[in-house]
Formats: sequence, C-alpha cells, structure tokens
Amino acid sequence: AQKVTQAQTEISVVEKEDVTLDCVYETRDTTYYLFWYKQPPSGELVFLIRRNSFDEQNEISGRYSWNFQKSTSSFNFTITASQVVDSAVYFCALQNAGNNRKLIWGLGTSLAVNP
Amino acid sequence: DGGITQSPKYLFRKEGQNVTLSCEQNLNHDAMYWYRQDPGQGLRLIYYSQIVNDFQKGDIAEGYSVSREKKESFPLTVTSAQKNPTAFYLCASRVGPGRIGALLNTEAFFGQGTRLTVV
Repeated sequence: AQKVTQAQTEISVVEKEDVTLDCVYETRDTTYYLFWYKQPPSGELVFLIRRNSFDEQNEISGRYSWNFQKSTSSFNFTITASQVVDSAVYFCALQNAGNNRKLIWGLGTSLAVNP
Repeated sequence: DGGITQSPKYLFRKEGQNVTLSCEQNLNHDAMYWYRQDPGQGLRLIYYSQIVNDFQKGDIAEGYSVSREKKESFPLTVTSAQKNPTAFYLCASRVGPGRIGALLNTEAFFGQGTRLTVV
C-alpha cells in the first residue's frame, strides 16, 4: 500500500524563524517520485519540487531546502528565515511509476508565519 | 499565458440540481484530473483522463461524471446523486502517457479551483 503522512497538522512560527515540515511515505515500489506543493489562501496548488527515488541529493532553492532520506522514508521540507508570505498549506505527495501514475497525497500542514 | 482555467470560481447549487464545473488548459497536456478538497483533508481524486475520449474513475467517483471530447477541456458534472457536494474542486493537468515527457513523471499544474456550495 502507498501512503503519505504529514504528522504536523498546523504549525505557527514567528517571522524569521526556521521551520521544518515533515513528510513520511510508504511504498513497495523501487521507482517512485515525491512532490511538494504549496496552497496559499487563493486556493491554487503551486508546484515546489519533484524528487525521484534514485536521487537522494538534498536540494536548496533560495530559502527552501529539502532533505530526502530513503533509509527513513522521509522527504522533509525546511523554510529558512520564514516570511509572512510563506503562510499556506503545504502538501507532500507520492507517485509510483505505474501506468495510472496517481498521486497519493498527505493531508497537508498548515503553516502560519506571524509578523 | 499557458495555464489551466477553472470556472466559475464560486458556484451555488440547489439540492437536486446538476451543475457543471469547467476546466480548460492550453498547455497541450494529455492528462487531466479532478480533485475534491474538504476542510482539513487532503486531495481526493474524482476522475482522471490520460487521453482524449478516455477517462477513469478515481477514489470518489460516485455522484460525478466527466467527459473528454477535446484535449483542452475536461468538464466535471456534479449530479444530484452526490449527497454532499459542498467542497473545493481542483482541476489539474500534466504531460500524459502519450508523450515522451511522461517518462519523467512530470509535475501536475493546477487551476485556481471552484468552490461549490449547496444552498
């Protein structure tokens, strides 16, 4: 079975704090893909990153960084020096390499960055 | 600009009515998806289509219907059989299985959503 768990339902931080959003996944496939999306209050989901199962390199994009560890089946997302504009719901998703390529979604983490 | 357009942004339905949500994309994507989002929940897949004139049921297809007569369009009809239709509906598209890019499992692009309320 495939599953994505985002254990943190809500996180509240003060601006400029660093914050890490956890994502733990389950899959029996050896080839799979992991995604992070941001959903601001406007509602549209914005793609942040895609990572395939063969690439365990961590990635940094500005204030955003991602830590992929196959040993613990985790794909955590860190925002450094958070800003009010980072306030949103963040979703982690898993996709196998099968024919239907369905995305398995976590329930999301609601991040509130307060001034 | 290329993208996905959902309309309307807000929709009100009387009980017993069918309503249709529009989703149009000009990204030349083969695959299109409809998701339902309820407060505090993740996205649940209603229907998806990987090519024109073909679509499959997702996890919660009961009470919904779709069509895919054109590559650009994937409308969703919420029928009177859907007992609890009040939710936020998101349409998405991505490069599908018919194109080389599908091998890369590219990301999905989303519309801005339609908020449906039963009155």
